[in-house]
Amino acid sequence: NAGVTQTPKFQVLKTGQSMTLQCAQDMNHEYMSWYRQDPGMGLRLIHYSVGAGITDQGEVPNGYNVSRSTTEDFPLRLLSAAPSQTSVYFCASSYSKGDGANVLTFGAGSRLTVL
Amino acid sequence: KQEVTQIPAALSVPEGENLVLNCSFTDSAIYNLQWFRQDPGKGLTSLLLIQSSQREQTSGRLNASLDKSSGRSTLYIAASQPGDSATYLCCTSGTYKYIFGTGTRLKVLA
Repeated sequence: NAGVTQTPKFQVLKTGQSMTLQCAQDMNHEYMSWYRQDPGMGLRLIHYSVGAGITDQGEVPNGYNVSRSTTEDFPLRLLSAAPSQTSVYFCASSYSKGDGANVLTFGAGSRLTVL
Repeated sequence: KQEVTQIPAALSVPEGENLVLNCSFTDSAIYNLQWFRQDPGKGLTSLLLIQSSQREQTSGRLNASLDKSSGRSTLYIAASQPGDSATYLCCTSGTYKYIFGTGTRLKVLA
């Protein structure tokens, strides 16, 4: 049972380049989400999904796209990277039963630097 | 809009001391509140989850309480150890949105 797997762990991009951060979970979780963590800002929600084919915006969605074609995968796309997107990105998932007992499980993180 | 605040931002204590970390939130309409631990350069590990109908949860030396009416939660760590050194974050759960505090960075001195 691998839990939540994020790739790559580290990435350096030049301004304007595009890339996809991958996130996969093997726990049959309906809910998946992406956060960015910046010093002094805590974790901020970028996008989330409550099931295959359903996505919605979080607090800081600009510059990022997501899709959810399967229950297992939730990739985060940067279409044209900017230095302001330098951050550590975390993917998290939970078994959304709507009863409040939804432990949020995190991946190990992806550190992105945009030059 | 939910806002989650953690005070203090950093804390340094000698080994063996009992300590309390504080978390406050502005919107009491939450499903649950979770406490996480984050080691430097690592992901977040869930420590305790308190459902909105509960008042507290315990795991080993950790005890978390929740007072929805006042918008507060505390994480109590008994007999602190150097291995407890980490950043502790609280997180409220609303309708599919989890809102995090900025964390308390704890250092336990041997």
